[in-house]
Amino acid sequence: QRHLLQSGGGVVQPGGSLRLSCVASGFKFYTHGMHWVRQAPGKGLEWVTFIRYDGIEKLYRDSVKGRFTVSRDSSQNTLFLQMNSLRTDDTGVYFCAKAASMATTPSDAFDVWGQGTEVTVS
Amino acid sequence: SYVLTQPPSVSVAPGKTASVVCGGNEIGSYSVHWYQQKPGQAPLLVMSYDSDRPSGIPERFSGSNSGITATLTISRVEVGDEADYYCYVWDSNTNQGVFGGGTQLTVL
Repeated sequence: QRHLLQSGGGVVQPGGSLRLSCVASGFKFYTHGMHWVRQAPGKGLEWVTFIRYDGIEKLYRDSVKGRFTVSRDSSQNTLFLQMNSLRTDDTGVYFCAKAASMATTPSDAFDVWGQGTEVTVS
Repeated sequence: SYVLTQPPSVSVAPGKTASVVCGGNEIGSYSVHWYQQKPGQAPLLVMSYDSDRPSGIPERFSGSNSGITATLTISRVEVGDEADYYCYVWDSNTNQGVFGGGTQLTVL
């Protein structure tokens, strides 16, 4: 059964840092692109970042460029999101999500989601 | 940046048909994915590439995309379909993903 297990959220002051993790199981992690999506309290979904299956291509939404870094360790089937210089508007639930196919394009659908982890910047 | 527009809410009676629309400039030239999210849960993919229904999603769910509007249609609506629905596209001009604002489906 394909599964993504997240950890690493918490409460941090503005300007602080947090690192989120997402452990994959039940599929070949090293063949799929991965994304992070977030949701502010009471608000809609917001795409954050994409990393290609090989870790070479990384794409970010404008508001997190230069502050967030996505990475992956295929030996541990783990996706990471390093968040620095956090701002109050980064507050929300962060989801990791798996690209549905083994294509290299970032435009694929997300067919498996993590349970979400809460980040509070206050 | 590319903008997707969804109505905040749609109401439908059980057994009837619900249409959730997503508007965007020339959205017909994009591949649209749809996600269902129930309170306190992670989103669930219910439609990919405009009209491909993932395994496990009921045949009552269908999708279309043309011109300036993409539509998720739910036939014979059930109480369990009550959720927020989000459209999503990849904007290759900015190389960023874009979600619509979401539509809350209420089953009366």
